Amino acid sequence: SQQGEEDPQALSIQEGENATMNCSYKTSINNLQWYRQNSGRGLVHLILIRSNEREKHSGRLRVTLDTSKKSSSLLITASRAADTASYFCATDGGSFSGGYNKLIFGAGTRLAVHP
Amino acid sequence: EPEVTQTPSHQVTQMGQEVILRCVPISNHLYFYWYRQILGQKVEFLVSFYNNEISEKSEIFDDQFSVERPDGSNFTLKIRSTKLEDSAMYFCASHRGVQGTDTQYFGPGTRLTVL
Repeated sequence: SQQGEEDPQALSIQEGENATMNCSYKTSINNLQWYRQNSGRGLVHLILIRSNEREKHSGRLRVTLDTSKKSSSLLITASRAADTASYFCATDGGSFSGGYNKLIFGAGTRLAVHP
Repeated sequence: EPEVTQTPSHQVTQMGQEVILRCVPISNHLYFYWYRQILGQKVEFLVSFYNNEISEKSEIFDDQFSVERPDGSNFTLKIRSTKLEDSAMYFCASHRGVQGTDTQYFGPGTRLTVL
């Protein structure tokens, strides 16, 4: 089964608009994280939200988590051309069998912000 | 700010050759990971490492793969006999080891091209 499925797969907006990306997952989690990846580059951690949190903010980012629906959303407000990247959610699988869990990534949303 | 570093940034090799990918995790981190991302696909977990041993590995991490922490700073991934399908971006990550409050920090990746 797939964990951390994002939608939409691709999103194209104008600078200044808000971008919303969604993520769904299947198993229980301890936390959910969002990462950003510029084309062909590394993964940059954006924000972590724990399973007992419902909303978290960081600058222009707002993340929500609904554990009853097993879903999360990432909102980028007042987008800029520099926000153009792929955005991935990643979950930790929920169990602590002897260590700190692997991350399970979704397929990502490719965001294009046009000037 | 401390960061995970990886070398080389790009490795080109012939099929059947051995490659070693190197990572220097953040110095006070306890958990180490390798992930890979085939071009255009999602990031996939390979292996996690704690206390000088593998704590979890995926189906991808077969006998051709091995990991080692040869000294107090480096963490390596060896592919014994590369195949064409091993071409991917390989990411190292490290985790401080504080439950529920911290995240995995990723290096910039090594792009492996198998010809």
